[in-house]
Parts: sequence; C-alpha cells; structure tokens
Amino acid sequence: ETGVTQSPTHLIKTRGQQVTLRCSSQSGHNTVSWYQQALGQGPQFIFQYYREEENGRGNFPPRFSGLQFPNYSSELNVNALELDDSALYLCASSGRDRGRYEQYFGPGTRLTVT
Amino acid sequence: AQSVTQLDSHVSVSEGTPVLLRCNYSSSYSPSLFWYVQHPNKGLQLLLKYTSAATLVKGINGFEAEFKKSETSFHLTKPSAHMSDAAEYFCVVPLSGSARQLTFGSGTQLTVLP
Repeated sequence: ETGVTQSPTHLIKTRGQQVTLRCSSQSGHNTVSWYQQALGQGPQFIFQYYREEENGRGNFPPRFSGLQFPNYSSELNVNALELDDSALYLCASSGRDRGRYEQYFGPGTRLTVT
Repeated sequence: AQSVTQLDSHVSVSEGTPVLLRCNYSSSYSPSLFWYVQHPNKGLQLLLKYTSAATLVKGINGFEAEFKKSETSFHLTKPSAHMSDAAEYFCVVPLSGSARQLTFGSGTQLTVLP
C-alpha cells in the first residue's frame, strides 16, 4: 500500500459529459502526477502539479485540466468526454523537494465512456 | 531524449525457474531507471530503482536488476519464479526537466506456469 488513494474506483459516463477524478497524495508528498493507461498499454503522462501549480504537461488536449489543493490532494477534470477517453486513470505522488523522483501510484479510477 | 524499450511483450516461465525481463534504454547520459509491477486490477508498485549509486540493484520480492552502460540495458531478473509474480512489468525512465515525468516502456506480461 502506497498511501495514495483515488476516488471513485469505477465510473461510467456518456460521450460529451464531464468527469472529475480525485486523488489524495501520500503523507509528506507535495507533487501529484496524473497518467492515463489505455487497455493493453503503458501509462501516458497527462500533467503534474507541484505546490498547486501545473509543473509539466504531456500530449493531452486542454479539455484535460487539473487542480491541486493546499493539502496537496488533486483533481483531474475531463470535459467533452470522447470514447477514446475510456481508460484507467492513475494518480502518483512524489516528494520532489527531497530530490527523489520515484512516484508512488494509487489504485486508479477506471473510466468507461459510452 | 530518454526512452526505454522492452524487448518482450510476453514471457512465460515455470514456477521455480529463473525470470529474465529485458529492457534497453536510450539516453545521452546515465539516467535514473525504475521497474514497476502491475497486478491485475491494481495500481503500479515500484519494484526497484537505479540512481547511479550501484549498478546491481536489489528490489522487493527477490527481484534485482543490473545497469549495464556498455549494453544500455537494465534487465530485471529473479532466480526463482513464484505464482504470485504473474503480472505486467514496466521499465520506466524519468525524463529530464522540471516535472521528471515517467516514461513507460510498452510492458512485459509475465505468466508463471505451475
């Protein structure tokens, strides 16, 4: 167990809707990264938040957005859902200030878009 | 740019026999490298990490990996496979830059036969 929690566990949405996924980071970690893992593939980096600011972004459109709160928990928002957004969404936390970049993952949220 | 290539998409071994999962990296310098494991319907767990302190890295559950600069390889091994080792394994490199986002290999599915 990493101490990283995500909610909800599973979610079913309709194309065009909006969704919010939530993540609580491990105690002592101030950085949260989000990844999308499509079926049969490795995770792809969406973006990272460090001290409530976006700190890097992968090749994802602006309809993927996020927030980080003062307690370092985070949200991932996806607008105008498309069928290809169906995936496992993983949150990872890390203690960037300590110069350690390994990331600790939560169990993920399985999103299905119909 | 840093990247990793996992040479086998599927590996099948018998219980009690050695495991070898192959990973080559591409980088202009000695990178940090990680191996993560993902059991079915679970998040990613850090198995071990290489950060240039020692070329032979020992991880959890009896796994180890050796960093070989001359071969640009970071293969994962275990002397004796256990049924519980059946999972997807990812070789991972953190990219340079502020976010140090993780770039995953395509994964190797390990099957352990009784």
